[in-house]
Amino acid sequence: EPEVTQTPSHQVTQMGQEVILRCVPISNHLYFYWYRQILGQKVEFLVSFYNNEISEKSEIFDDQFSVERPDGSNFTLKIRSTKLEDSAMYFCASTVSGGAEDTQYFGPGTRLTVL
Amino acid sequence: GQQVMQIPQYQHVQEGEDFTTYCNSSTTLSNIQWYKQRPGGHPVFLIQLVKSGEVKKQKRLTFQFGEAKKNSSLHITATQTTDVGTYFCAGEESQGNLIFGKGTKLSVKP
Repeated sequence: EPEVTQTPSHQVTQMGQEVILRCVPISNHLYFYWYRQILGQKVEFLVSFYNNEISEKSEIFDDQFSVERPDGSNFTLKIRSTKLEDSAMYFCASTVSGGAEDTQYFGPGTRLTVL
Repeated sequence: GQQVMQIPQYQHVQEGEDFTTYCNSSTTLSNIQWYKQRPGGHPVFLIQLVKSGEVKKQKRLTFQFGEAKKNSSLHITATQTTDVGTYFCAGEESQGNLIFGKGTKLSVKP
């Protein structure tokens, strides 16, 4: 069964450093999402992406965050200058069409630790 | 913005007991989805409810969507240790963006 993959599984970085989290969505999917989950808390929406543009973004997704689809398969989340509070699990998800009855498939997540 | 509230936050049950988690939205939902997250894992899609008053069953799991499409529940009959995890409801905001509840963490004592 096709699945969303994410790399790395764990990223440790120093505060102020840039990190890039990578995702490979399911190949025929067109809508892509990033979520984050701070340890012990709920899953929070960050951003959705379609047709090489951001569709929606939350208040969390400030100027420190950016997303990109650099080629036909990867979908990346960049944090320019990491803060301690950016430590969390980051989940990528994708759907076929982004419609109301579409299932979101989540990747296994990247655990980001900011020291 | 839309808020999705979920209770209880934690539920400890003896194996064989039933379990229910409830979800309420501040606005009418177009649909509601339920996810299960095992400890250390990622959210896995369980089901989606779309119609007012809809009830769906998956083996021991029963999902309901309220008549007003503002609330939903997940009921597990006769829990097993494999049911351990956090159950999230999620309402759709727009273009598929999901707003998750805080989740109910279920622990099952054998």
